[in-house]
Amino acid sequence: GAGVSQTPSNKVTEKGKYVELRCDPISGHTALYWYRQSLGQGPEFLIYFQGTGAADDSGLPNDRFFAVRPEGSVSTLKIQRTERGDSAVYLCASSPGLAGGYEQYFGPGTRLTVT
Amino acid sequence: AQKVTQAQTEISVVEKEDVTLDCVYETRDTTYYLFWYKQPPSGELVFLIRRNSFDEQNEISGRYSWNFQKSTSSFNFTITASQVVDSAVYFCALRGNNNDMRFGAGTRLTVKP
Repeated sequence: GAGVSQTPSNKVTEKGKYVELRCDPISGHTALYWYRQSLGQGPEFLIYFQGTGAADDSGLPNDRFFAVRPEGSVSTLKIQRTERGDSAVYLCASSPGLAGGYEQYFGPGTRLTVT
Repeated sequence: AQKVTQAQTEISVVEKEDVTLDCVYETRDTTYYLFWYKQPPSGELVFLIRRNSFDEQNEISGRYSWNFQKSTSSFNFTITASQVVDSAVYFCALRGNNNDMRFGAGTRLTVKP
């Protein structure tokens, strides 16, 4: 079946602009996660959803970052007033549920470059 | 606080050598899960194994094996008879009661022919 997809695969934007990154999880997966991966580092947790609600957004670095999942499927990560430090690969993952034992299935990521 | 340490930044071996990737974790949770993921050059993270904190039985899957020791808070990963296709970055991760996943910084494995 189809895996997690993310669009766009690459995004270049100017400092100060607004960007949206989209994630389509595996059909039927109720839990959805966003991570940020900087060069040479492991993925860093940002936020996760169970259904439509953000269950934990403690990883969002500041209030310029926001994510939604209005219908419990597709999710959008929104970054306002982008800064050069936001440049990274943004990864989305989904899992069948929130229970700790479920593995997360990752998408290919969106590489964001802020110039 | 939860933390995962992968002390080996890079490892280089010659094909057919065995190699062990180390992972040490910290958590105060009594129930937690440990994971290993592979990130090949294509970039997509691939799930390899999950272990819960109550199951210390070692596991073998083909050329891969995992050694989980709660006494030393370690969850090491061994590849036997390595192959060039094993070249990738490998991440160890920990998930506790709060459900978010904490990843280590990764170990870049290069297998030379």
